[in-house]
Amino acid sequence: DVKVTQSSRYLVKRTGEKVFLECVQDMDHENMFWYRQDPGLGLRLIYFSYDVKMKEKGDIPEGYSVSREKKERFSLILESASTNQTSMYLCASSLVTANSPLHFGNGTRLTVT
Amino acid sequence: GESVGLHLPTLSVQEGDNSIINCAYSNSASDYFIWYKQESGKGPQFIIDIRSNMDKRQGQRVTVLLNKTVKHLSLQIAATQPGDSAVYFCAETRPKGYSTLTFGKGTMLLVSP
Repeated sequence: DVKVTQSSRYLVKRTGEKVFLECVQDMDHENMFWYRQDPGLGLRLIYFSYDVKMKEKGDIPEGYSVSREKKERFSLILESASTNQTSMYLCASSLVTANSPLHFGNGTRLTVT
Repeated sequence: GESVGLHLPTLSVQEGDNSIINCAYSNSASDYFIWYKQESGKGPQFIIDIRSNMDKRQGQRVTVLLNKTVKHLSLQIAATQPGDSAVYFCAETRPKGYSTLTFGKGTMLLVSP
């Protein structure tokens, strides 16, 4: 089974802090994704990457950046956390072939105070 | 996560009933669809997928039906069990330069023993 592991289950950070969310997958998937999930809004794509050092903006990239230095690891960075970034963050990975399902981690619940 | 179910439509069924969860999609160019299940505190879990050249696909106790004429997708769960209680999302591939999945808001399924 594909395993997508997010390093933290819960995080509490202060406004203005730099925050790193880490994600590792063990199935040699080319594609990796970061979503946030909010009540009433569903899952929204922040950034994705289809190869090492490659990144593409999703629907809501503002306030975020990403890093993919190794194939198995995809990091989401909040340069200066704000309270409106309090959310559940979900990492996912998939094969590069068209129409491959995403496999998700169990999420990181981030609270910014 | 714990708050995923807030603001969602809810389907309540008795154990042993068949459940039907519906999803409308908006983009007639979408060519791949997935159903995910999300239990409380976990990330979305892949259930079944279907490509646009099919109108029905069956898995273990689940069937997905695709009606491209009215842009409608449904998930049928046979002999629903309490362990099926979760939020169910449909997702569609929307070509956006590089195809990515776009998720519906979800439906909460509650199964009573």
